This record gives sequence, structure tokens and C-alpha cells, in this order.
Amino acid sequence: QKEVEQDPGPLSVPEGAIVSLNCTYSNSAFQYFMWYRQYSRKGPELLMYTYSSGNKEDGRFTAQVDKSSKYISLFIRDSQPSDSATYLCAMRRNTNAGKSTFGDGTTLTVKP
Amino acid sequence: GAVVSQHPSWVICKSGTSVKIECRSLDFQATTMFWYRQFPKQSLMLMATSNEGSKATYEQGVEKDKFLINHASLTLSTLTVTSAHPEDSSFYICSAPTDPAGTEAFFGQGTRLTVV
Repeated sequence: QKEVEQDPGPLSVPEGAIVSLNCTYSNSAFQYFMWYRQYSRKGPELLMYTYSSGNKEDGRFTAQVDKSSKYISLFIRDSQPSDSATYLCAMRRNTNAGKSTFGDGTTLTVKP
Repeated sequence: GAVVSQHPSWVICKSGTSVKIECRSLDFQATTMFWYRQFPKQSLMLMATSNEGSKATYEQGVEKDKFLINHASLTLSTLTVTSAHPEDSSFYICSAPTDPAGTEAFFGQGTRLTVV
């Protein structure tokens, strides 16, 4: 069983919809939680970075962490076609950025 | 924001040859860089941690003699895939932390390697 589980999708929504992306994990030692956006044939781009439980908002993006349930979410409001990409969740135990465990990614398509 | 540049973006090579991939931090110094491998529809897998001025640290199962890493300066790390085989075909990505604590890292744009 993988430490981080992420539904691969694909997920297709109409423009303007609210998108919910999720990951579950099994290691209770994870404390840092990230969401990345990856366009085809490109490196990942950091969207959200959260420490421990709680919510964090940045523009149209909201990240939620529920450590008691070992569940994290990324919400995208007013989705745009330019949001079409693969979204990767990642998490780690400490501050060492290289030791993150990544989900397999969810492919999102936002249709105009 | 911080920029990490990776070169080349894609490369095709013949079996048995070696390929070098460069990772540069353009506007900051990086004593540490990370090399990942990503297969289609799969997550990033850390291969090794590149340390400036010292030997790289390889993850379990990664052949250090096959994937040679050199971190000769504070802004450049290279990954050389030696004696490449078709099964080495993959997407290779580097990243570099932007602060000494290594709290977060920015990724390069990746290199698509195809071995024929």
C-alpha cells in the first residue's frame, strides 16, 4: 500500500466550476503538506504549502489539511481552462524539501 | 520567484551511450539539489540528493554507478545517465531548495529522455 493515495482521475469540469482534489495518507508523522501543478512535459510548480492541520487560502485556491483523518484537499474556485493540468499532492515529516512523498497526481481538464 | 533551469528539455540517445542533464539555480545558490524520476501517470520518485563539494546521497535501489551526479558549484548539478538502456527512458526532474533550511524547493522544467 502506498503512503500517499491520490485518485488519478481524469477529472473534467466546466469552466467556472468548483474543483475538489484530494489525497489520503497513512503516515501520521507527515507534518508538511504541499500541492503542485504540473503541466504536460513540465516540472511541478508549487501552489500551496501548509504546515499541520488547518486551512490556507491563496486567491482561487484553498488547501485543507485534516491530520486526524489523514486527508488533505485542494479546492479551486471559478476554475479556468488554464487550470487544466495534473495536480500532485506531496507531504513530508520534516523541513527537508527533498524527502517529500508524492501522490501519483490527478489530471484535471476544465472545459470552456 | 526562484528559478531552476534544466537542460536539455528532451534528448534522444542510442543504447549504450551516456547522457548528461544539467540543473542550474539561476538567481540563488543551492548547496543541495534533488534529482527525481517520473514515469508516465506516476509520482515523482527521489533518486538522489546532490551535495555541493561532496558525494551525492542515493536513495535505496538507485545505482550510483549508472546515475552519476556531480555538484561542482553552488549553482550547477549534473546527472549523467551512463550506458543508457531503453528502460532508462523517463522524465528526469531536478529541484533546489531556496533557503538554507531546505524548507521548500523549486523544480526545473524536466528532461524527457528517450533511449532507442
